[in-house]
Amino acid sequence: DAGVIQSPRHEVTEMGQEVTLRCKPISGHDYLFWYRQTMMRGLELLIYFNNNVPIDDSGMPEDRFSAKMPNASFSTLKIQPSEPRDSAVYFCASSRDRGRMFTEAFFGQGTRLTVV
Amino acid sequence: DQQVKQNSPSLSVQEGRISILNCDYTNSMFDYFLWYKKYPAEGPTFLISISSIKDKNEDGRFTVFLNKSAKHLSLHIVPSQPGDSAVYFCATNAGGTSYGKLTFGQGTILTVHP
Repeated sequence: DAGVIQSPRHEVTEMGQEVTLRCKPISGHDYLFWYRQTMMRGLELLIYFNNNVPIDDSGMPEDRFSAKMPNASFSTLKIQPSEPRDSAVYFCASSRDRGRMFTEAFFGQGTRLTVV
Repeated sequence: DQQVKQNSPSLSVQEGRISILNCDYTNSMFDYFLWYKKYPAEGPTFLISISSIKDKNEDGRFTVFLNKSAKHLSLHIVPSQPGDSAVYFCATNAGGTSYGKLTFGQGTILTVHP
């Protein structure tokens, strides 16, 4: 398996523009996570899905952020309109649902977003 | 409100010596604790884990210790190698009905000097 695939790897955009980040999870995984990495807060969970259904979006900073998972192999994170403070590295991760057992998450390589 | 905290932003160690990375958590309901390692321009990769029913787990040069009464875990790397230089994140699952959800600390930058 190719692992979790994110695109683009780098994105530079102007303030006010719409940004869409994409993720393809590992085939067969039931959970999909969107994280944001910043110096101050480390890896911050934004939202996660279980079987394509959003379970917890309490980490989404504002209404400008939205995420969708239309099928088991694709998810998007959209920021509209983007602001300079959204500049960060955004990671997508996926894991297998093993009920009440340990499960590790596998991460993509991330998208470095710069909003100027 | 950070449920998982890594209070040391960075750690510098000489090659061959022991590296000790620390992590504190607040919720006694957490079931599993994990350590991830991250190199620049790459995603975090899983390193080692421990269940809350254990107090130690060892994998080669890496050992994780869990002190439930203190809500503290640590990662020991012995001996440290320059290739271990990376950012280390501790993480834990949310427990309850959210076993899949992982909460991470802020990370500790480890530098191992030759």
